[in-house]
Parts: sequence; C-alpha cells; structure tokens
Amino acid sequence: GAGVSQSPSNKVTEKGKDVELRCDPISGHTALYWYRQSLGQGLEFLIYFQGNSAPDKSGLPSDRFSAERTGGSVSTLTIQRTQQEDSAVYLCASSSYGQSGNTIYFGEGSWLTVV
Amino acid sequence: LAKTTQPISMDSYEGQEVNITCSHNNIATNDYITWYQQFPSQGPRFIIQGYKTKVTNEVASLFIPADRKSSTLSLPRVSLSDTAVYYCLVGETDSSYKLIFGSGTRLLVRP
Repeated sequence: GAGVSQSPSNKVTEKGKDVELRCDPISGHTALYWYRQSLGQGLEFLIYFQGNSAPDKSGLPSDRFSAERTGGSVSTLTIQRTQQEDSAVYLCASSSYGQSGNTIYFGEGSWLTVV
Repeated sequence: LAKTTQPISMDSYEGQEVNITCSHNNIATNDYITWYQQFPSQGPRFIIQGYKTKVTNEVASLFIPADRKSSTLSLPRVSLSDTAVYYCLVGETDSSYKLIFGSGTRLLVRP
C-alpha cells in the first residue's frame, strides 16, 4: 500500500486477555518501529527492527510484550495478560535503510482499551 | 543519539509566524535534524529535515546555525489547523539506528 497500515484500528479487551496488533510497513522499507503513546503523553519507544538484524527490544516495558517481524515485512506486536495500564495507542512506523536522515512514516495507530 | 530540548508549549495567534527552537548540544557530525508534527489521534508526520544552513519547503523553514547545536522550525502565518505537537529529532542513518522522541512542543494557535 501507499502508507503504513495498522490493524485493528480500535480494540477493546478485557483485563487478562492477550491481544495482537498488526503492522504492514511501506513496501521496500527495511526498518520498522513500534511506539506507544498514552493519552496526552509523548511517544514511548518499544522495539525496532532493521533488516535481518536482531531487533532492538530495549523499550519493551515488560515480558508480557513481544514482537516479531516475518519475512522482513509484516510485524505483529503481542501483549499477553493485558492490564489497564496497557491502554494506549500503539503506533507503527517504517523507513528505508540508507535514506539520508532516516525519515520515518507512521501509521494511524491501533487504539487499545483494556477494561 | 543526541538529546534534544524543546519548550513544552507555545501559544500563538492566527496569521503570526511561529518559531520553535530545539537545542541539541551533542549533535554528531553525521546527524541530521528532523521535525515531525502530530495532530491529536494521529501518528506523527514528517515536516522538514536539514543538515546545515537553511531548508525551506511548502510547509515550513528550518534554520540551522553554523555550530548546529540548535535548530529553529519556522511556521509562517499559522492557522488554527497548525495546532499540534512538534517534535525535533537528531540522528543519523546506520544499521542500528532507532528514533527516540522527546516530549515535543505543544503549539496552540488561537483565533
């Protein structure tokens, strides 16, 4: 597609359930990022994938969070045993490795509400 | 990755020019300076990027002094729709690069 696509756009889940959020990056982009943004707050870095390199997971807040990227394209962020504090918008972004200045492009986000 | 410092918030009125300055004292030789804009309920979007001197596009101008320790995003004749959060990022492209966003500057444009 023309831009970064995320699904679902909205998700309401019960506390304790697992959720999966999907990101389709821009075709050909080798770098993929996940961020989290709580209401009224800044962007919190979660994880970064670059090509075939091991992902940078330094931003994942707990072991309940994990992410994978299959075939260097689509990525899935999984949150296990969701808690109310996980409620936020989860933003995915992608960029083209080697591009000067590393401009990244964001999706519209997946809004997660844990009740 | 160079740390950036921006004002937390700014107020302006329609039709005025707005200048938002970002400090990045530890900028490295290969670092670019990039600004993003974020509207409520949307992901950030690229506004402008520069390395040195001045860059201008259809949306904004970016002024970078010779020492590159700061940069100023200039929005000419703002409108209500320019109300958003503006983020300044500094970094380069390499195989291990990741982008860390600061708190940004909340710009409120009043009628």
